[in-house]
Amino acid sequence: DTEVTQTPKHLVMGMTNKKSLKCEQHMGHRAMYWYKQKAKKPPELMFVYSYEKLSINESVPSRFSPECPNSSLLNLHLHALQPEDSALYLCASSPGNQETQYFGPGTRLLVL
Amino acid sequence: GENVEQHPSTLSVQEGDSAVIKCTYSDSASNYFPWYKQELGKGPQLIIDIRSNVGEKKDQRIAVTLNKTAKHFSLHITETQPEDSAVYFCAAMATDSWGKLQFGAGTQVVVTP
Repeated sequence: DTEVTQTPKHLVMGMTNKKSLKCEQHMGHRAMYWYKQKAKKPPELMFVYSYEKLSINESVPSRFSPECPNSSLLNLHLHALQPEDSALYLCASSPGNQETQYFGPGTRLLVL
Repeated sequence: GENVEQHPSTLSVQEGDSAVIKCTYSDSASNYFPWYKQELGKGPQLIIDIRSNVGEKKDQRIAVTLNKTAKHFSLHITETQPEDSAVYFCAAMATDSWGKLQFGAGTQVVVTP
C-alpha cells in the first residue's frame, strides 16, 4: 500500500482566515514533504520533515506553518494568505530522505 | 544547485506509437531519477525510477534509460494508449540533498485514438 491521504480535497478561504491542511500515511515512512504546485508547473518543494523534525524549509513565508505531530501525520497551518497562494498543495512521503517519494492527491486551495 | 531540463513540452502521438521524453541534469552528484505521471486533478504518480548504478530499467510498456556521462535520462512508452495521456515529470535527486527532488518542467502527452 503506497497511499498518502490528504484532507480536505478543496478549500476556499479569505485572506484573514486560518485553516489547516492535513496529510496522513500509514506506510511507516520517516520522511514527509509539502509541495506547492501552480497550474502547468512542476511541484515546488516547501518543507521536508525527517523523523518528525523539520530538516528543510525552502524559504517559505511564515504565513505557512508546518507541523509534524507524529510519524504518520503532517499538517500545514495557513494564516493571512494572499490570492497568489492559490495552488494545489501536495503532500508526499518516503521511507527515508533519499528514497522514492509517494504523493497524495493534493488539496486545491483558493484564496479570495 | 541541480537544474533539470525536459523536452519536449508537448507530445502528440497516435495510439499504438511510441513516445520518448528526454531530460538532462546538471549536478554530477545526482544519483536517483524518478518519473511521475500526473493526470488532471490528481497528484503525481510514480511510474518508474532508476538509480545511477543502472543504465536501463523496464516495466511492461515503460522503460527508462540513463547516460551518466552525458547526464541525460529518457522515458520510453511503447504501444501508447489513450490512458497514457497526462503530464509527465522527470526529476533528479542528489546524494547530499536531504530528499530534495528537482523536477523538469513537464511534458503534456496526448495520445489520439
